[in-house]
Amino acid sequence: DAGITQSPRHKVTETGTPVTLRCHQTENHRYMYWYRQDPGHGLRLIHYSYGVKDTDKGEVSDGYSVSRSKTEDFLLTLESATSSQTSVYFCAISETQGSTEAFFGQGTRLTVV
Amino acid sequence: GENVEQHPSTLSVQEGDSAVIKCTYSDSASNYFPWYKQELGKRPQLIIDIRSNVGEKKDQRIAVTLNKTAKHFSLHITETQPEDSAVYFCARVGGGSYIPTFGRGTSLIVHP
Repeated sequence: DAGITQSPRHKVTETGTPVTLRCHQTENHRYMYWYRQDPGHGLRLIHYSYGVKDTDKGEVSDGYSVSRSKTEDFLLTLESATSSQTSVYFCAISETQGSTEAFFGQGTRLTVV
Repeated sequence: GENVEQHPSTLSVQEGDSAVIKCTYSDSASNYFPWYKQELGKRPQLIIDIRSNVGEKKDQRIAVTLNKTAKHFSLHITETQPEDSAVYFCARVGGGSYIPTFGRGTSLIVHP
């Protein structure tokens, strides 16, 4: 498996609190992505990064922010968690621009109560 | 747009039967089409991929076909086994975006 780890693996938080999920890679891949997985919706892109300090929004970015201060770390922050953000979050990495495999982290199961 | 439509959402087969999952895409500039398998509680992992200059690719019991004119591609699994039970995602990359765009997934159930 590619060297990509997510933390935490599970988290329960209360509505209105901020939450940060971490994705760490040891592959030195340039591209990093955050997806959320929900039944019936597949994998939907939240934010992505194409380099240090270079990030952009995906299709479901409202309520989320990201940061990438180092090649190896990509952080996803829920600014004020809501119940609709209960989901499984996957980080993914890829080496080059398109036409290459994306490697996924193990996922983080987040429950907002 | 860059949508990917995937069908069916659920597929139930008997062990030994074949299974086919189909995806269509809208961006004609798409040039890379990976398929991922996600077992229960695990991460999605690549099982096969195809590039736009190829019409078909096989790897043992799995194969992928691509029809660029019709903008659709399919995953074929022959001689299905219970361990093939999983959620399968198609994706497309390329054209105006290098970001993988995924279909909604197909839950394949193989009955022994």
